[in-house]
Amino acid sequence: GAGVSQSPSNKVTEKGKDVELRCDPISGHTALYWYRQSLGQGLEFLIYFQGNSAPDKSGLPSDRFSAERTGGSVSTLTIQRTQQEDSAVYLCASSPRTGDNEQFFGPGTRLTVL
Amino acid sequence: AQRVTQPEKLLSVFKGAPVELKCNYSYSGSPELFWYVQYSRQRLQLLLRHISRESIKGFTADLNKGETSFHLKKPFAQEEDSAMYYCALRAGNTPLVFGKGTRLSVIA
Repeated sequence: GAGVSQSPSNKVTEKGKDVELRCDPISGHTALYWYRQSLGQGLEFLIYFQGNSAPDKSGLPSDRFSAERTGGSVSTLTIQRTQQEDSAVYLCASSPRTGDNEQFFGPGTRLTVL
Repeated sequence: AQRVTQPEKLLSVFKGAPVELKCNYSYSGSPELFWYVQYSRQRLQLLLRHISRESIKGFTADLNKGETSFHLKKPFAQEEDSAMYYCALRAGNTPLVFGKGTRLSVIA
């Protein structure tokens, strides 16, 4: 079946604009995760969902970042008033349940803030 | 809090040479450890997990609780092993915690 998909694959925006990143998990996966991948920082955990609820939002870098998930499926990560330091690859992953060993990753969205 | 440390950002080895990618963790309980790999222009994917005690693509990793380490090893590196490698830890029913990654470059 289809894997995790993310859109857009690339996003270039101007500083101060808002952006929305989308993640479609594998069908039936109840757990969904967002990570940020940047040079020198590796994989930074942002937030995860179990169903539609987010038990742990501690990884969100600032209040400009928010995420939601509806219908236990698609999730959107929103970054308001983007800054240049937000430039990174944003990865989404899903797994059947939160405690599952393997997380399946999407291809990522490369965000560039000019 | 759980933490995963990969001390090397970049590791370069010659083809046929042994490889060891270091990973140390901090967690007071019994962790689950994993290695993920990202080849050029491909998705991040699971390479191996410590509970399986398996060898994947010639790679093995042994969990050493005394040294809190989970180093990834391969006796003879191949060019196709060049990739970004991430060590990850799970503590209980929580998302994975990743290290900062090590880029392995195998030189022909």
